[in-house]
Amino acid sequence: DQQVKQNSPSLSVQEGRISILNCDYTNSMFDYFLWYKKYPAEGPTFLISISSIKDKNEDGRFTVFLNKSAKHLSLHIVPSQPGDSAVYFCAASGGSNYKLTFGKGTLLTVNP
Amino acid sequence: ETGVTQTPRHLVMGMTNKKSLKCEQHLGHNAMYWYKQSAKKPLELMFVYNFKEQTENNSVPSRFSPECPNSSHLFLHLHTLQPEDSALYLCASSQVGGGPTNEKLFFGSGTQLSVL
Repeated sequence: DQQVKQNSPSLSVQEGRISILNCDYTNSMFDYFLWYKKYPAEGPTFLISISSIKDKNEDGRFTVFLNKSAKHLSLHIVPSQPGDSAVYFCAASGGSNYKLTFGKGTLLTVNP
Repeated sequence: ETGVTQTPRHLVMGMTNKKSLKCEQHLGHNAMYWYKQSAKKPLELMFVYNFKEQTENNSVPSRFSPECPNSSHLFLHLHTLQPEDSALYLCASSQVGGGPTNEKLFFGSGTQLSVL
């Protein structure tokens, strides 16, 4: 049973527009959420995170929103740039378990 | 050198071969991990080492054998693999303890493994 779900395998947006990547989770013990970005032939790199005590965290063009009641988080990228084209993984951890549980990833393509 | 380095980047092996993947972290972290990434699947945690002690084996077949001689080095020994084991194998490290903000994973670039 997948505890972290990214239901959109791919997303395509125009340069300059907003990209919204979604993630749902089922484990109510999760209290820390992260987004990783992965380019082909490279390992994932940490992008942004959010603790369950917050509902929003912003870092430059990247904002993560957390809706605990819906067990949903989203990553907003504004404005999107072609260099943002990559696979984005949502991950979560919680309780006494520090291990991260990952989603399947969403391939974002930003078209010039 | 900084970060997490993995060698080799690419590996092709036959089902009867024995090979090893190597990972080294230069971040002073106390935990190291092996992950497997197959196409269209989530990243699958294989093994966790915390302070050189294996703390998790996620039901991984015995044809995968990890070794962690110290907190900076991690190996994955491979023998008699199957074609379905072809995947990207990622090593990661983190600093465990001190709260969740310390538990971000830092990944290497991975070894793309093909089993023929």
